[in-house]
Amino acid sequence: GNSVTQMEGPVTLSEEAFLTINCTYTATGYPSLFWYVQYPGEGLQLLLKATKADDKGSNKGFEATYRKETTSFHLEKGSVQVSDSAVYFCALYSNTGFQKLVFGTGTRLLVSP
Amino acid sequence: DGGITQSPKYLFRKEGQNVTLSCEQNLNHDAMYWYRQDPGQGLRLIYYSQIVNDFQKGDIAEGYSVSREKKESFPLTVTSAQKNPTAFYLCASRAQNIQYFGAGTRLSVL
Repeated sequence: GNSVTQMEGPVTLSEEAFLTINCTYTATGYPSLFWYVQYPGEGLQLLLKATKADDKGSNKGFEATYRKETTSFHLEKGSVQVSDSAVYFCALYSNTGFQKLVFGTGTRLLVSP
Repeated sequence: DGGITQSPKYLFRKEGQNVTLSCEQNLNHDAMYWYRQDPGQGLRLIYYSQIVNDFQKGDIAEGYSVSREKKESFPLTVTSAQKNPTAFYLCASRAQNIQYFGAGTRLSVL
């Protein structure tokens, strides 16, 4: 079945550090890939997405590239801010069978001043 | 503003009691979803509805029930059969392949 694996957190960084959160997936067909962000006590917000191989999603300084050869969709940001502290979820949406989002377990990011 | 409204933000359930979580959307989306989130875990699908008057069980439907009488509304009832209801519940709706989430309801047991 479809699944998403994320690196375990928390990821602890100082402000302006470089961020990478790893995400790999297993899926049949050609899924769409997403990163969602959850701030404390809130619902999930779509951060970025990519719908086909080699697509790069980007938003608010975050980027992720859909790598079909390595089945990965790693999230990166060149310089994190304290306000980026949140939980980040990688997810895939399969276009075959029942269309539902499959989530990773989430990675908590803590950014200190 | 268009969006998804969940209420209440916090809810407490007594043992043996059924409680209902509200989810309303004004995005004109056909598909709606309910997820459960436990600490340190990802989201697990409880129920989903692709159109009015139709819904299907997700991965963890036992102890929950839903209805979809209106396009805008998809309430979730946590029944007394759900023995471990304490969690954060998220409602979502979908347009094409993007899901939009409400702010969630945190349910606790008294």
